[in-house]
Amino acid sequence: QQQVKQSPQSLIVQKGGISIINCAYENTAFDYFPWYQQFPGKGPALLIAIRPDVSEKKEGRFTISFNKSAKQFSLHIMDSQPGDSATYFCAASMAGANNLFFGTGTRLTVIP
Amino acid sequence: EPEVTQTPSHQVTQMGQEVILRCVPISNHLYFYWYRQILGQKVEFLVSFYNNEISEKSEIFDDQFSVERPDGSNFTLKIRSTKLEDSAMYFCASNFRVRQETQYFGPGTRLLVL
Repeated sequence: QQQVKQSPQSLIVQKGGISIINCAYENTAFDYFPWYQQFPGKGPALLIAIRPDVSEKKEGRFTISFNKSAKQFSLHIMDSQPGDSATYFCAASMAGANNLFFGTGTRLTVIP
Repeated sequence: EPEVTQTPSHQVTQMGQEVILRCVPISNHLYFYWYRQILGQKVEFLVSFYNNEISEKSEIFDDQFSVERPDGSNFTLKIRSTKLEDSAMYFCASNFRVRQETQYFGPGTRLLVL
């Protein structure tokens, strides 16, 4: 059972372009939606997170858009840089629960 | 900046052998987690641990798995009799408070079962 679905599996973007990664969930009990960034050989690191009481959250070049009615959320990376090349995971968790449900990951490559 | 550390970085073992994966969470954190990531697949929750007991576990965390905090700093995951399908990257994570606070992940232990 896949609690969080993520697409695309891989993404190639030119330097300076916008990278967009999408996630969808089914469980309406989810109320916390983080995005994690993972570089090869490293553990996932929190990038940005949102709760469903807002529709958008921006931190620098990274923006989460959240659509509660559609049960979808997305990560936008503006002015993508080669240093952003990594695997990105969306995740979700429920109120009162400890575990994160991760999406399948998107391998982003930003070409100079 | 404090970070979660894990040892070993790589472990190769024979099927049926016991392995112990070690983690040192960030020192003032109270909640500890194990996740695994099979090559090319998503990160999956195994277990969470608080106040010296398991607080939550997934279906993956069966009787072959156990966790322990043997002293004030280490947090271990034991797999009693490894199977081929246990081959994965195992991540330890920790945070200070539960309830959706940032979980800090270690660099992982890559386990290969032959």
